[in-house]
Amino acid sequence: GQSLEQPSEVTAVEGAIVQMNCTYQTSGFYGLSWYQQHDGGAPTFLSYNALDGLEETGRFSSFLSRSDSYGYLLLQELQMKDSASYFCAVFNQAGTALIFGKGTTLSVSS
Amino acid sequence: DAGITQSPRHKVTETGTPVTLRCHQTENHRYMYWYRQDPGHGLRLIHYSYGVKDTDKGEVSDGYSVSRSKTEDFLLTLESATSSQTSVYFCAISDPGTGARANYGYTFGSGTRLTVV
Repeated sequence: GQSLEQPSEVTAVEGAIVQMNCTYQTSGFYGLSWYQQHDGGAPTFLSYNALDGLEETGRFSSFLSRSDSYGYLLLQELQMKDSASYFCAVFNQAGTALIFGKGTTLSVSS
Repeated sequence: DAGITQSPRHKVTETGTPVTLRCHQTENHRYMYWYRQDPGHGLRLIHYSYGVKDTDKGEVSDGYSVSRSKTEDFLLTLESATSSQTSVYFCAISDPGTGARANYGYTFGSGTRLTVV
């Protein structure tokens, strides 16, 4: 089956850079996704990596290494509003539904 | 934003009663999903649908059933609610699209907070 590992918590200060890691074990691999969820809200889609390398979208970047079964989400110029939980996810073996990690809670302080 | 609504938003029910949660979308997306979210467990897949009357089980399907008689509606039923089913339930939709840059992003509803007492 599919399994994902993420650190449970990360803390950082405003303006800093933070990296949140994700390692996975899968039977079949269709890509790595990242979602953000603010407290009390719904998860929202951030990024998807199907191939090795870095994908950048503004202050957010996501990296994938398929040979290492590893990815990370990089947030630059941290802001207070970035305080949230961040989930990585992979598709199930059939490629039909996402399986999520337990998430990393990011706390940004001033 | 994609149109997806969940109802009810909050519900308190008694152990042993049946409960149905509704997910409604206006995007004509093919795929619909039900997840539950509990502290320390992240999002866990309950059931999903890949078309009208086409459904499959997820990681934590025991005690739950689903139905999809129309593209826009995906219902989750707890046949006999138990306290262990107290959770926040999220519905999500997706349309993988086609081509080299198919979008694999899900759009989630606002969630239903269910308490079983």
